[in-house]
Amino acid sequence: GAVVSQHPSWVICKSGTSVKIECRSLDFQATTMFWYRQFPKQSLMLMATSNEGSKATYEQGVEKDKFLINHASLTLSTLTVTSAHPEDSSFYICSTLGDRVGQYFGPGTRLTVT
Amino acid sequence: QQPVQSPQAVILREGEDAVINCSSSKALYSVHWYRQKHGEAPVFLMILLKGGEQKGHEKISASFNEKKQQSSLYLTASQLSYSGTYFCQYGNKLVFGAGTILRVKS
Repeated sequence: GAVVSQHPSWVICKSGTSVKIECRSLDFQATTMFWYRQFPKQSLMLMATSNEGSKATYEQGVEKDKFLINHASLTLSTLTVTSAHPEDSSFYICSTLGDRVGQYFGPGTRLTVT
Repeated sequence: QQPVQSPQAVILREGEDAVINCSSSKALYSVHWYRQKHGEAPVFLMILLKGGEQKGHEKISASFNEKKQQSSLYLTASQLSYSGTYFCQYGNKLVFGAGTILRVKS
């Protein structure tokens, strides 16, 4: 199966700073990647769909100016949380679509904003 | 709209069986099932693409009733490694259900 990596695995930052999370597809080219957020004991919520070479599509209620997504190459999508606040603390997971095998998820990035 | 999963949680002893249900208020074209261990990303279990389809791997199987807009996941002779949170997902909308917490005790 496809391998998707994320970096960093966890990050602690101060309120007001920006954090960048990288999502890489290691063994295939991904024209589309998805970004999810998961709060403790809750389900995964789709934040946005990242498309290589074009603007990301954001789900309703997700601030596109706060969660900047860049998909500059077929193997890399980045999510930047700008001016992070404690309520942005969450588990951020990226994924790609497999061929009739659902989604391949990255290992996730745990963000803690202090 | 989020798929509805039931039950919310279930506790089993090793060797017991469990069924997790997933239903939708809208037409389902495909259903994915995932398992997530604490602190980890979800892992794909299986996809069902056609109404009436059933499939399984080892002692985990699933069915898809397109007309009833529901899918069920069957865990047979559960093992400790089955513990985790199980999610169903609409394939075309990438929307996850709220999850079912499964705990298998020895």
